[in-house]
Amino acid sequence: DQQVKQNSPSLSVQEGRISILNCDYTNSMFDYFLWYKKYPAEGPTFLISISSIKDKNEDGRFTVFLNKSAKHLSLHIVPSQPGDSAVYFCAASLNKAGGGADGLTFGKGTHLIIQP
Amino acid sequence: DAMVIQNPRYQVTQFGKPVTLSCSQTLNHNVMYWYQQKSSQAPKLLFHYYDKDFNNEADTPDNFQSRRPNTSFCFLDIRSPGLGDAAMYLCATFRRGEGYTFGSGTRLTVV
Repeated sequence: DQQVKQNSPSLSVQEGRISILNCDYTNSMFDYFLWYKKYPAEGPTFLISISSIKDKNEDGRFTVFLNKSAKHLSLHIVPSQPGDSAVYFCAASLNKAGGGADGLTFGKGTHLIIQP
Repeated sequence: DAMVIQNPRYQVTQFGKPVTLSCSQTLNHNVMYWYQQKSSQAPKLLFHYYDKDFNNEADTPDNFQSRRPNTSFCFLDIRSPGLGDAAMYLCATFRRGEGYTFGSGTRLTVV
């Protein structure tokens, strides 16, 4: 049973527009959420995170929103650029400090394609 | 640059022939993880080391073993690979305050 779900396998967005990637989770014990970006033939790289005590975190073009009551988070990229084309993984941790026995629980990923 | 290095990047092995994947780190992180990612699936945690303490996920098959001879190195041994073990294997490290760092992965093909 998947605890972290990314229901859109792929998303196509025009360059300059907003990209919104969605993620749902089922385990209310998750305390910390992260987004990773993955290019082909490379490992996932950390993008942005949010603690469960917050509902928004912003870093440059990237903003993550968390709706705890709906167990939903989203990643907004504005404006979208060609270099943003990659697979984006949503991940959750039971421990804000991280590094625990459960590590990270990942979604299946969403392949974002930025059209010129 | 400090990093997590996985060797080899691509590994082809025969059905039933033991294979070892390696991971090394220059970050001096005390926690190391192995994840398995099958095509179009989420990365799945196999096991992790907290320093020298080994922790196996309950549903990790016995076919998968791991060794961590020192802080820098961690190995994933697949004793008898089956076709279903073909996947990307990701190594990750962690230290509190520094977060997780992933290697580039080893893509395993079983023929």
